[in-house]
Amino acid sequence: AQTVTQSQPEMSVQEAETVTLSCTYDTSENNYYLFWYKQPPSRQMILVIRQEAYKQQNATENRFSVNFQKAAKSFSLKISDSQLGDTAMYFCAQINNAGNMLTFGGGTRLMVKP
Amino acid sequence: DVKVTQSSRYLVKRTGEKVFLECVQDMDHENMFWYRQDPGLGLRLIYFSYDVKMKEKGDIPEGYSVSREKKERFSLILESASTNQTSMYLCASSLGLRGAGNEQFFGPGTRLTVL
Repeated sequence: AQTVTQSQPEMSVQEAETVTLSCTYDTSENNYYLFWYKQPPSRQMILVIRQEAYKQQNATENRFSVNFQKAAKSFSLKISDSQLGDTAMYFCAQINNAGNMLTFGGGTRLMVKP
Repeated sequence: DVKVTQSSRYLVKRTGEKVFLECVQDMDHENMFWYRQDPGLGLRLIYFSYDVKMKEKGDIPEGYSVSREKKERFSLILESASTNQTSMYLCASSLGLRGAGNEQFFGPGTRLTVL
């Protein structure tokens, strides 16, 4: 069974600063994908970034990057130059190799302060 | 753009009522999913479907059933609603490519309150 753990229920950061959200996971799969999803207040969940476990290079999408440590089963999200629009719930998730079972962490509520 | 829509944003029902939550996607996706979202627990998978008339149980299927008669539509049914089913329900869809790390696209959610 897959498990995903986010140890920070809430975080805050000043606008323009950098923040890192933590995520650890556990799986017996050899290949898998990891995701960070963002759920803004009263808005739909959207994909922020995706990482394939076989790729050693950390994924980057503009101001968002990950630190993927496969041996440690750690997958943290770094948000650089935080903006007010980054205020949201962030969910770490892992999908199985069959592509049909997405397991989510409990979420981290991020508040970006002006 | 992929669009996943859900029939209601807010719903209030009484204990024992039969409840239908509808989800429609317009991207011809093979996979569709129903989750419930509760504070501190993240999203938990109730059921998913990888084809018309096909369904698989997720982590918490008890008290729920699903129906997929057409590829674009996936319904979640609460046969006899109970107060512990008060929650936010999210529908999602994705391509059915195995091993491709398919992104799931989510609907806006239905906040269900059972009194």
